[in-house]
Amino acid sequence: DAGVIQSPRHEVTEMGQEVTLRCKPISGHDYLFWYRQTMMRGLELLIYFNNNVPIDDSGMPEDRFSAKMPNASFSTLKIQPSEPRDSAVYFCASSLSGGGADTQYFGPGTRLTVL
Amino acid sequence: LAKTTQPISMDSYEGQEVNITCSHNNIATNDYITWYQQFPSQGPRFIIQGYKTKVTNEVASLFIPADRKSSTLSLPRVSLSDTAVYYCLVGDMDGLLSGSARQLTFGSGTQLTVLP
Repeated sequence: DAGVIQSPRHEVTEMGQEVTLRCKPISGHDYLFWYRQTMMRGLELLIYFNNNVPIDDSGMPEDRFSAKMPNASFSTLKIQPSEPRDSAVYFCASSLSGGGADTQYFGPGTRLTVL
Repeated sequence: LAKTTQPISMDSYEGQEVNITCSHNNIATNDYITWYQQFPSQGPRFIIQGYKTKVTNEVASLFIPADRKSSTLSLPRVSLSDTAVYYCLVGDMDGLLSGSARQLTFGSGTQLTVLP
């Protein structure tokens, strides 16, 4: 398996523009997580899905952020409009539920810079 | 919520054994303890996981006392390539369906620096 795939790996945009980050989870995994990592705040969980359904989006910073999972093999995180404070590395992770234990497999991340 | 507490940083020398302890006083009965490793510019990577007593794999050991209020990640004979941030995570996948993902909080982690 290729692991969790994220695109793009790097994104530079200007304030006010729409940004869309993409994620392909590991095949067969039924959980998908979106995280944001900054030096100041560390690794923050933004939202997670189970079987394509959003379960908890309380970590989404504000209405400018939205996430979708139209099918089991694809998810997007959209920021509209983007702001400089959104600059961070965004990780997608997937996991297979089996009762009890959690092991998340992370993608390589998307480094977002908003000018 | 099973909040975790780890040292912010640790230094070691090549070839030494490193032990990183994580405190999780409010761990729940169904929670597992998972450790992740993160290198710069990469996503966290699973190292080891356990529920109680001792677990060992090819890269590390995990020691969990009977009360499960703490756990210790042990890295034998570290090398320069083990320099990374190590996170302790406590949680239960079954709890995620009820929206209790707050427990899957990575915290600030422990920056391990291995010196030559």
